[in-house]
Amino acid sequence: QKEVEQDPGPLSVPEGAIVSLNCTYSNSAFQYFMWYRQYSRKGPELLMYTYSSGNKEDGRFTAQVDKSSKYISLFIRDSQPSDSATYLCEFDLGGTSYGKLTFGQGTILTVHP
Amino acid sequence: KAGVTQTPRYLIKTRGQQVTLSCSPISGHRSVSWYQQTPGQGLQFLFEYFSETQRNKGNFPGRFSGRQFSNSRSEMNVSTLELGDSALYLCASSPPGRDDTEAFFGQGTRLTVV
Repeated sequence: QKEVEQDPGPLSVPEGAIVSLNCTYSNSAFQYFMWYRQYSRKGPELLMYTYSSGNKEDGRFTAQVDKSSKYISLFIRDSQPSDSATYLCEFDLGGTSYGKLTFGQGTILTVHP
Repeated sequence: KAGVTQTPRYLIKTRGQQVTLSCSPISGHRSVSWYQQTPGQGLQFLFEYFSETQRNKGNFPGRFSGRQFSNSRSEMNVSTLELGDSALYLCASSPPGRDDTEAFFGQGTRLTVV
């Protein structure tokens, strides 16, 4: 079993749609849960960060973590063409893991006008 | 504040050659990590350096090595290149004094081995 499984996509949605991106994980030692966005020919950039179960909202983005079920989600409301990118979930053990981040495979999202 | 800078952006090498990639972290960041990104395997952790010391490494063969200088700049080296080493190599730096790793990525070096 892979340590992290991310819904593979790709996803294609119309502008204004609500997008749901999901990852499951098996390592209960993960302490920090992040979502990165990667545009074509660019490096990933941090989008959302959380360390506890529950929801965290930032503008049109909501990150959800359910530690008991071992899954995390990212919701995008009122999606825009500029949201078209690859979205990566990322898991961090914290402490002395020193940079050893575990990423999902990524979901390619296309928002068409 | 300038972001993470990686050079070169693109590189084409022949099998058997070696290559050195460079990364300049964000000013004040002392932790630098390297990752390999491929369509099949996704983003995989190579190693992490802090104050010129390797603190952690991933599951890559010894052909992959790195170092960090006193100004926190880092280089990674791949010797005896194989076709499978073709990938986007990403460097990330992290701010000090945190338990988690909020990674700020560069744009990457696209390595093609022919």
